[in-house]
Amino acid sequence: SQTIHQWPATLVQPVGSPLSLECTVEGTSNPNLYWYRQAAGRGLQLLFYSVGIGQISSEVPQNLSASRPQDRQFILSSKKLLLSDSGFYLCAWSVGQGLHFGDGTRLSIL
Amino acid sequence: AQSVTQPDIHITVSEGASLELRCNYSYGATPYLFWYVQSPGQGLQLLLKYFSGDTLVQGIKGFEAEFKRSQSSFNLRKPSVHWSDAAEYFCAVGAGNTGKLIFGQGTTLQVKP
Repeated sequence: SQTIHQWPATLVQPVGSPLSLECTVEGTSNPNLYWYRQAAGRGLQLLFYSVGIGQISSEVPQNLSASRPQDRQFILSSKKLLLSDSGFYLCAWSVGQGLHFGDGTRLSIL
Repeated sequence: AQSVTQPDIHITVSEGASLELRCNYSYGATPYLFWYVQSPGQGLQLLLKYFSGDTLVQGIKGFEAEFKRSQSSFNLRKPSVHWSDAAEYFCAVGAGNTGKLIFGQGTTLQVKP
């Protein structure tokens, strides 16, 4: 069966520090991969999606970037975090219709 | 513009009572519709989805939803709510073979004993 792993579960970072969140999927090949952000009291916003290795599409202008170095690995990064980057970050995969989410990373910026 | 509206931000029901969570969408193409549930601090779990065919779809945990094209709605229902159903519920719409979904703002369900 397919599983998705996302880490860390929680992260507290100072403003201006770098960020790296990692997501891996097991049990499926060539999935579409996604990074969503959920701000407090809001729904989910799609940040990035990828249909293959090295192929990244950005949905909203922002301080973050994404990379897909391997078929089942998706990384969310930032060189310098802003206060507005706080939120709950969810990785997801799809093969066909519908999304399957990881457990998320709670990012707090101090 | 494409959008999903969940009119109720917060709903409280008694355990054993019936439940209906509303979802209205605006989408230019044939919509693929989803309901997800999120427990506090967790990711989202897919409850059910509608792509085509029978407009009444059954999901996990005893949930069902009905697609009404004329009303642009996809309301989620459960005949008898359990305390473990307390969570946040998200309606989402997308197109075809993609996970690029548009989510509603969510409805928080509280269950009274």
